[in-house]
Amino acid sequence: DTGVSQNPRHKITKRGQNVTFRCDPISEHNRLYWYRQTLGQGPEFLTYFQNEAQLEKSRLLSDRFSAERPKGSFSTLEIQRTEQGDSAMYLCASSLSDHNQIYYGYTFGSGTRLTVV
Amino acid sequence: AQKVTQAQTEISVVEKEDVTLDCVYETRDTTYYLFWYKQPPSGELVFLIRRNSFDEQNEISGRYSWNFQKSTSSFNFTITASQVVDSAVYFCALSEAKTSYDKVIFGPGTSLSVIP
Repeated sequence: DTGVSQNPRHKITKRGQNVTFRCDPISEHNRLYWYRQTLGQGPEFLTYFQNEAQLEKSRLLSDRFSAERPKGSFSTLEIQRTEQGDSAMYLCASSLSDHNQIYYGYTFGSGTRLTVV
Repeated sequence: AQKVTQAQTEISVVEKEDVTLDCVYETRDTTYYLFWYKQPPSGELVFLIRRNSFDEQNEISGRYSWNFQKSTSSFNFTITASQVVDSAVYFCALSEAKTSYDKVIFGPGTSLSVIP
């Protein structure tokens, strides 16, 4: 397993366009998380999935944002009608959570850097 | 409310100096985890350490050491004999049992520059 993979690494888009990012987690991990990181800040939680179920969404995730994890494997994060304020690094992480709720920690991907011009 | 503060925005040291990165956290939960992550210029967050709230023992791993003090809600990170490869942004983070550890709250980060 090569870890958490995110594509593309970089995306430049014009304001108003839609963009979609993909995250492939570590295969045995059942939880998948999306974070957003703006310049000079720490990552901020956006949403997470347990298998295919989206369990929580941050208030940061406006109606223009949608995330899916079909079949509980890879995940996509789509931003519709992009705005310049959406420019950020979008980070994906995965973790394993078993029925004992033992916490094994996150593994992060390298992120997708979005620039909206 | 949960919060992580890293008061040092940027630190510059000369190679081989020791450096301590400060972290202060706030939580009402009695069970939580604290973390340190490193983010080199390549961008990927690299996990350094996880410490649970019931384990206040200090930890040393090579040139890295961590000082956890619940009395002051601090979890400081020291790099001994710093090297140029240590140049990165370092994040302290917190997750709480009440959220099933599902959300990690990151501090704003400390940018460390090690000058040769």
